[in-house]
Amino acid sequence: NAGVTQTPKFRVLKTGQSMTLLCAQDMNHEYMYWYRQDPGMGLRLIHYSVGEGTTAKGEVPDGYNVSRLKKQNFLLGLESAAPSQTSVYFCASSSTMETQYFGPGTRLLVL
Amino acid sequence: AQKVTQAQTEISVVEKEDVTLDCVYETRDTTYYLFWYKQPPSGELVFLIRRNSFDEQNEISGRYSWNFQKSTSSFNFTITASQVVDSAVYFCALRVNFGNEKLTFGTGTRLTIIP
Repeated sequence: NAGVTQTPKFRVLKTGQSMTLLCAQDMNHEYMYWYRQDPGMGLRLIHYSVGEGTTAKGEVPDGYNVSRLKKQNFLLGLESAAPSQTSVYFCASSSTMETQYFGPGTRLLVL
Repeated sequence: AQKVTQAQTEISVVEKEDVTLDCVYETRDTTYYLFWYKQPPSGELVFLIRRNSFDEQNEISGRYSWNFQKSTSSFNFTITASQVVDSAVYFCALRVNFGNEKLTFGTGTRLTIIP
């Protein structure tokens, strides 16, 4: 049982480049989330989805876009990366009212 | 708005000592859930426990125990007879019953167990 997986594990970008982070879950969860973790700030919600085809903004959505074309996948896109987006990105999923389970994280460095 | 405060940024204890990690939360909702997650040096987030606001019973799981007190808005986590493998960053989190289901995290407590 893979749970929540994230691709890639690590990436280095130059300022202005774009990339997409992929999150996949095999638990048939309705809800999926993208968080970023920065030193001393805990985890902050970027975007989330309450079902296939739906997305919504979290606390820190600027500079990111998301898509949920399939129930099991949640994509996070950076159109024009900035050094401020250097962070560790975590994807999570949950059933309604249940615990959120997290993926292993993606380390992103923007130079 | 919700808020979670983990005032202890870093704690170090000698192996086999007991240690308590504090968590204080704020919410105006009467129905909510509290969580603890562990983040070991490898970086993943591991779910430890979930508690709902209507269940104030303390919980024990092996060397881990949790003390939930609504009167003080606290959800503290105690590790008994600590071990080196307990070294990690521990996060407390809050989710209210209605809304987008998002978790509000504290800033975490880095626990170091000294052998």
